[in-house]
Amino acid sequence: DAGVIQSPRHEVTEMGQEVTLRCKPISGHNSLFWYRQTMMRGLELLIYFNNNVPIDDSGMPEDRFSAKMPNASFSTLKIQPSEPRDSAVYFCASSFGTRGDTQYFGPGTRLTVL
Amino acid sequence: GESVGLHLPTLSVQEGDNSIINCAYSNSASDYFIWYKQESGKGPQFIIDIRSNMDKRQGQRVTVLLNKTVKHLSLQIAATQPGDSAVYFCAENISRATNKLIFGTGTLLAVQP
Repeated sequence: DAGVIQSPRHEVTEMGQEVTLRCKPISGHNSLFWYRQTMMRGLELLIYFNNNVPIDDSGMPEDRFSAKMPNASFSTLKIQPSEPRDSAVYFCASSFGTRGDTQYFGPGTRLTVL
Repeated sequence: GESVGLHLPTLSVQEGDNSIINCAYSNSASDYFIWYKQESGKGPQFIIDIRSNMDKRQGQRVTVLLNKTVKHLSLQIAATQPGDSAVYFCAENISRATNKLIFGTGTLLAVQP
């Protein structure tokens, strides 16, 4: 069982550049979540999808952030333009159910914006 | 300048002792709770869960206790090992109408050999 797959594992970019993070959820899972983790704010939910449809994006910081899920096996989180304060570890998680179910996390992408 | 981050509560235990990590949750309507373990450089890993119709659930070396009266959750780890050193998060699902989990700030467990 491959688990949740994220790429890249590390990303270093310069301020103003576009960053795209990728996630492949566990096969058969119906929900996908994007989180951000920082020392300042801990683990924050950015957005989640049920059956490829965005359900709650209230955690997305601002218009610079966007997320898509074109099919059940792939999602992207894009930051354009990136800023140094976006530096964090971004996690993707997936769950089988769409209501109150265990979420399984990927290894994360460590983003550094210079 | 100096950056200010979250101050994680820390529990330091001797190898072989039992550990108890506590969590106060926020919403009396929450009906599902999960404990996660996060090792340095890795994503949170599921340990054990419990639904609100239970007050205790046991796994391998771990037990979760739920006290709904005082909105308190605890994770007990028996015979703590160095590999248990990590940050532990509790998470609550506030409503079956949503799939959203609310995470606590975490507790750092440091196991001394």
